[in-house]
Amino acid sequence: AQSVAQPEDQVNVAEGNPLTVKCTYSVSGNPYLFWYVQYPNRGLQFLLKYITGDNLVKGSYGFEAEFNKSQTSFHLKKPSALVSDSALYFCAVRLSNAGNNRKLIWGLGTSLAVNP
Amino acid sequence: DTAVSQTPKYLVTQMGNDKSIKCEQNLGHDTMYWYKQDSKKFLKIMFSYNNKELIINETVPNRFSPKSPDKAHLNLHINSLELGDSAVYFCASSHPPEGIEQFFGPGTRLTVL
Repeated sequence: AQSVAQPEDQVNVAEGNPLTVKCTYSVSGNPYLFWYVQYPNRGLQFLLKYITGDNLVKGSYGFEAEFNKSQTSFHLKKPSALVSDSALYFCAVRLSNAGNNRKLIWGLGTSLAVNP
Repeated sequence: DTAVSQTPKYLVTQMGNDKSIKCEQNLGHDTMYWYKQDSKKFLKIMFSYNNKELIINETVPNRFSPKSPDKAHLNLHINSLELGDSAVYFCASSHPPEGIEQFFGPGTRLTVL
C-alpha cells in the first residue's frame, strides 16, 4: 500500500538557521512527490514537486527538496528560516502511472515553528 | 481574482439539517476535488471529478453527495448532518497532465451543533 510518513509532528528552529522537514514514502512504482504549506486558517498552497530529472527541486519562498530514491525520502529544506515560515507542512505522493486515479496520498503534516 | 473559491466560508448548523457548500474555479482546470480536514489537521480526500465525471469516491457516508454542473463547479451536499461532520472542507482543482499540482480553495469551516 502507498503511504507517506512525516516522522516529526513539530519542528522548532531559530530564525536564520537552516530548516529541514522530513518526509519518507512507500509506493510500488515511480512517485510524483509534492510539498504543500498551510498557514493558519488558510487553504493549502503548493510549494514544489518532483516529477523526474534533477533530484534537487526548488520551489516557492526559497524552499527546496531533495528526492532520494534509495532512501525513499523527499525532505524539505530552506537555508535560512524566517518567522513567517511558521506553518503546517504536508508531504504528498502519487504514482507516476496513476492514469485517471489522481489521488494524492498525504502525510499527517509537520508543524514548523520558527522562533525569533 | 480568486482562483478557487468556496462559499460559505463559515457554516454553523444544527444536527439533522441538510446543507451545501459550493466551489468554483476560474483556472480552466478539468479536475476538481473535495477534501475534509479534521480538528487534528488530517487531510482526507472525499471525491474527485474530471470533466463532470466522478473518478474518485472514497469511503464516505452516502449522506455526502457531490455534484458537478460543469467542469468549473463542484458542489458538496450533506444530508442529515451529524456532530462528526464538523470539520474544514477544502475544494481543490488541477489540470493534469500538464499541471498535476492541486490548487486549494480557502476552506469552509462547518460546525454542527
